[in-house]
Amino acid sequence: GENVEQHPSTLSVQEGDSAVIKCTYSDSASNYFPWYKQELGKRPQLIIDIRSNVGEKKDQRIAVTLNKTAKHFSLHITETQPEDSAVYFCAATPYNQGGKLIFGQGTELSVKP
Amino acid sequence: DGGITQSPKYLFRKEGQNVTLSCEQNLNHDAMYWYRQDPGQGLRLIYYSQIVNDFQKGDIAEGYSVSREKKESFPLTVTSAQKNPTAFYLCASSMTGANTGELFFGEGSRLTVL
Repeated sequence: GENVEQHPSTLSVQEGDSAVIKCTYSDSASNYFPWYKQELGKRPQLIIDIRSNVGEKKDQRIAVTLNKTAKHFSLHITETQPEDSAVYFCAATPYNQGGKLIFGQGTELSVKP
Repeated sequence: DGGITQSPKYLFRKEGQNVTLSCEQNLNHDAMYWYRQDPGQGLRLIYYSQIVNDFQKGDIAEGYSVSREKKESFPLTVTSAQKNPTAFYLCASSMTGANTGELFFGEGSRLTVL
């Protein structure tokens, strides 16, 4: 089955710097890779996603890249702000298991003013 | 006001007791999910259901049971067979499968076994 590894587990950056979170997956059949943000005491919410037919996707300060050959994908946050502080989860789902979204272990991002 | 509702928010139980967590959605979503969240382990899938009267085991189904008798409801029972049940439980739903769009999460239920 699919296995998703996420690194680092914690990340501290200065406000205005960039942050990068990396994930690897094991099942080459996976074709959908979302990223969720969970602020303290709140529910996870989707911030960006990418499908296997695309190499990169951007949404304002957030971007995700996908390398299918290496089976890894990354979240890039530029010009970080204190409100970006949260736990971020990557996830993957194989195309033939549409109901099974497998999450990484999470990265706790702290943005210091 | 559409959304996904979990109850109770906090629950305490004695060892050896079964407990049922409620999850209701009014988003008209076909698919529903139960995840367990532990520090440093991310979100681990317990069970999921893509259609009424059908569900599949996730990666950590042992000691748990579910039912999907109605589209709106997907209750999770934590049985006495679950060795380490103290955790934060999250229910989610999506329009169809997890690979077709966003999962909407409930606010979670925190279970503590005394």
